[in-house]
Amino acid sequence: GDSVTQMEGPVTLSEEAFLTINCTYTATGYPSLFWYVQYPGEGLQLLLKATKADDKGSNKGFEATYRKETTSFHLEKGSVQVSDSAVYFCALSARDSSYKLIFGSGTRLLVRP
Amino acid sequence: NAGVTQTPKFQVLKTGQSMTLQCAQDMNHEYMSWYRQDPGMGLRLIHYSVGAGITDQGEVPNGYNVSRSTTEDFPLRLLSAAPSQTSVYFCASSYTSGNTIYFGEGSWLTVV
Repeated sequence: GDSVTQMEGPVTLSEEAFLTINCTYTATGYPSLFWYVQYPGEGLQLLLKATKADDKGSNKGFEATYRKETTSFHLEKGSVQVSDSAVYFCALSARDSSYKLIFGSGTRLLVRP
Repeated sequence: NAGVTQTPKFQVLKTGQSMTLQCAQDMNHEYMSWYRQDPGMGLRLIHYSVGAGITDQGEVPNGYNVSRSTTEDFPLRLLSAAPSQTSVYFCASSYTSGNTIYFGEGSWLTVV
């Protein structure tokens, strides 16, 4: 079945460092891809999404590109802030059931001042 | 803008007790779903609904019941709580297929 694999955390960075969180997926057809963020004690918020190959999703300085050839959707940010500390989830939804999300296990990011 | 509202936020149950987690959305969304979040496992789909009167099982449905009598509400019932159901539960909704899925703030459930 469909699945999402994320790099294990925690990822610890200093403020203004470059961030990459790897995400790869297995799916039949052409899924939509998402990054969700969960701040401490809160629910999940959609960070960005991409719905077809080569699409780039971006928001709040984060970006990710839908790479069909490598089945990847890596999250990047050029300069992280302390306020970016959170858990990041990669997820996909299939074309014929786009109301259901399949999540990766999440990657915790800790940014130090 | 209430969005997706879940209650209660925290609950402690004894093994064998029953309870209902409430979920309501005020966005007129057709699709609603329940996920559970366990450490190191991401979120897994419990049950979902594509409209009033229609529900279906997700990946981990055992021990849970749902119903969808109105568009706004999608309660999750634990019939006989077990320690394995200790988790964080998230309700989610979306307008139609392909639209952004919105999540509630979560319900922390502990079964002792």
